[in-house]
Amino acid sequence: DQQVKQNSPSLSVQEGRISILNCDYTNSMFDYFLWYKKYPAEGPTFLISISSIKDKNEDGRFTVFLNKSAKHLSLHIVPSQPGDSAVYFCAPPWPGGYNKLIFGAGTRLAVHP
Amino acid sequence: EAGVAQSPRYKIIEKRQSVAFWCNPISGHATLYWYQQILGQGPKLLIQFQNNGVVDDSQLPKDRFSAERLKGVDSTLKIQPAKLEDSAVYLCASSTRDRFLEQFFGPGTRLTVL
Repeated sequence: DQQVKQNSPSLSVQEGRISILNCDYTNSMFDYFLWYKKYPAEGPTFLISISSIKDKNEDGRFTVFLNKSAKHLSLHIVPSQPGDSAVYFCAPPWPGGYNKLIFGAGTRLAVHP
Repeated sequence: EAGVAQSPRYKIIEKRQSVAFWCNPISGHATLYWYQQILGQGPKLLIQFQNNGVVDDSQLPKDRFSAERLKGVDSTLKIQPAKLEDSAVYLCASSTRDRFLEQFFGPGTRLTVL
């Protein structure tokens, strides 16, 4: 039972344009969402998060939008840079115990010049 | 500040053999996690320690997997005997007790079972 779905395995974007990575979830009890970024041969690193009491959180070039009614969130990267090429994971904590992160399958972003 | 250290980085074994992975978390991090990441999937939590006690091992296949964190610092994850489906990257992460959502990951150990 996949509670977190990232339906686009890969995304290719031109440098300078916007990258939009999507995440859908089924458990309405999720109330916090994190995005992690992973480069090859490295572990994931925390990127940005959003609480369910908000619908938007911005950090520099990265903005996450949350639509609770649709159980959907998206990560926007503007402008995209070649160094953003990585795998991005959506990872809400398990409801009721904020220790276990439930990772989606990830979306591989390629930003080309 | 040194990051999470893991060794070995790569391991190739035959099925039914045993293997062990080592992790040294960031100094002062009370919580340590072991994740399994199968190709094409996101990381899945296997076990979580708070100091040297187990907090969650609900997804650890206990018939073949074991883990320990005896002194509340470094940790070892063992697989005995290994199966083909255990081929994956094993990630170790750590966090402070009060900021457990910000988990810091090591580079992982890539295990191939032939």
